[in-house]
Amino acid sequence: GNSVTQMEGPVTLSEEAFLTINCTYTATGYPSLFWYVQYPGEGLQLLLKATKADDKGSNKGFEATYRKETTSFHLEKGSVQVSDSAVYFCALAPSNAGGTSYGKLTFGQGTILTVHP
Amino acid sequence: DGGITQSPKYLFRKEGQNVTLSCEQNLNHDAMYWYRQDPGQGLRLIYYSQIVNDFQKGDIAEGYSVSREKKESFPLTVTSAQKNPTAFYLCASRLAPNTGELFFGEGSRLTVL
Repeated sequence: GNSVTQMEGPVTLSEEAFLTINCTYTATGYPSLFWYVQYPGEGLQLLLKATKADDKGSNKGFEATYRKETTSFHLEKGSVQVSDSAVYFCALAPSNAGGTSYGKLTFGQGTILTVHP
Repeated sequence: DGGITQSPKYLFRKEGQNVTLSCEQNLNHDAMYWYRQDPGQGLRLIYYSQIVNDFQKGDIAEGYSVSREKKESFPLTVTSAQKNPTAFYLCASRLAPNTGELFFGEGSRLTVL
């Protein structure tokens, strides 16, 4: 079956540091890949997505590239802020060759990020 | 504003009691989902519904039940058969068939006393 593995947390950084959160996946076919963010006490919000190999998703200074050869979708940000402190989830949705997704997402376990001033 | 509303935000239950969590959306989405979140385990799918009057079991459906009588509503009942019900429950809906993107409510935290 499909699975998503994220790097173990928690991750603690100083403001303006570089962030990488690793994500690898196992899936058949052509999954779509997502990063969601969860701020304290809230639900999840979509941060960015990529629907095919070599696509780069980006939003709010975060970016991730869909690497089919390494089955990875690592999240990066060049300079983190205190307001980026949250839990980050990598997820995949199965899709067909035409990019149609069935919407049944599989999530990684989440990575807690804390950024100190 | 369009969105997903979950209620109650916090709920306490005694062992042996059933409890129902509400999920309402005004986004006109066809598909709705219930996830359970436990520390260090990510999100696990309980039930999902692609269309009114139809729903399917997810990965951890035992001890839960749902209904989908209206497009806007997808309530989840946590029954007394659920052995470890204390968790954070998230409801979500899907924007379009070909994006996979989910929109989430703010969650309901259930604690069994």
